[in-house]
Amino acid sequence: GENVEQHPSTLSVQEGDSAVIKCTYSDSASNYFPWYKQELGKRPQLIIDIRSNVGEKKDQRIAVTLNKTAKHFSLHITETQPEDSAVYFCAASRGDSSYKLIFGSGTRLLVRP
Amino acid sequence: ETGVTQSPTHLIKTRGQQVTLRCSSQSGHNTVSWYQQALGQGPQFIFQYYREEENGRGNFPPRFSGLQFPNYSSELNVNALELDDSALYLCASSLDASGSEQFFGPGTRLTVL
Repeated sequence: GENVEQHPSTLSVQEGDSAVIKCTYSDSASNYFPWYKQELGKRPQLIIDIRSNVGEKKDQRIAVTLNKTAKHFSLHITETQPEDSAVYFCAASRGDSSYKLIFGSGTRLLVRP
Repeated sequence: ETGVTQSPTHLIKTRGQQVTLRCSSQSGHNTVSWYQQALGQGPQFIFQYYREEENGRGNFPPRFSGLQFPNYSSELNVNALELDDSALYLCASSLDASGSEQFFGPGTRLTVL
């Protein structure tokens, strides 16, 4: 069945360093890949997304890369700040008429001051 | 423009009872998706409603049912509650069902004793 695997489950970095979170999806028909940030006790919020017709997308300190052949996509956060500390979820979807998001299990990112 | 809202914020029920959770979609959105998020895990897709019709369902038993109203607000009903139903229930609304961004509500924390 459809599955998204996410690694690592926890990640601790020093403020200013980069953080990379990786996901692998199983459904080759997936064509939409959003990343959500969820702070403790709050709702998931979309931080960046990518569609299968592009290989990379950047928005200030965050970027996402997609390798359709390998069915991998990654989130890159540069110059990390303490306020980046949260749980990050990747997701994949076919983006068709039944638009369900299949989520990874999450990565808890801790940015040490 | 108002965001996605959910009620109640917290709920405690006992095994075997029934529960109804409510979601108001963001202004202009006609699609609502429901997700179950167990502690420490990623959200899991329950079902989606598009213009008052169910438009896709995840791997959840029939005791999970829903409705969408003409104003596009939605309800999630769970019958015969089980201990494993304890989770954060998130709804997300989107402009339509064909791949637009999903905006999440704050969730309802359900505890089944």
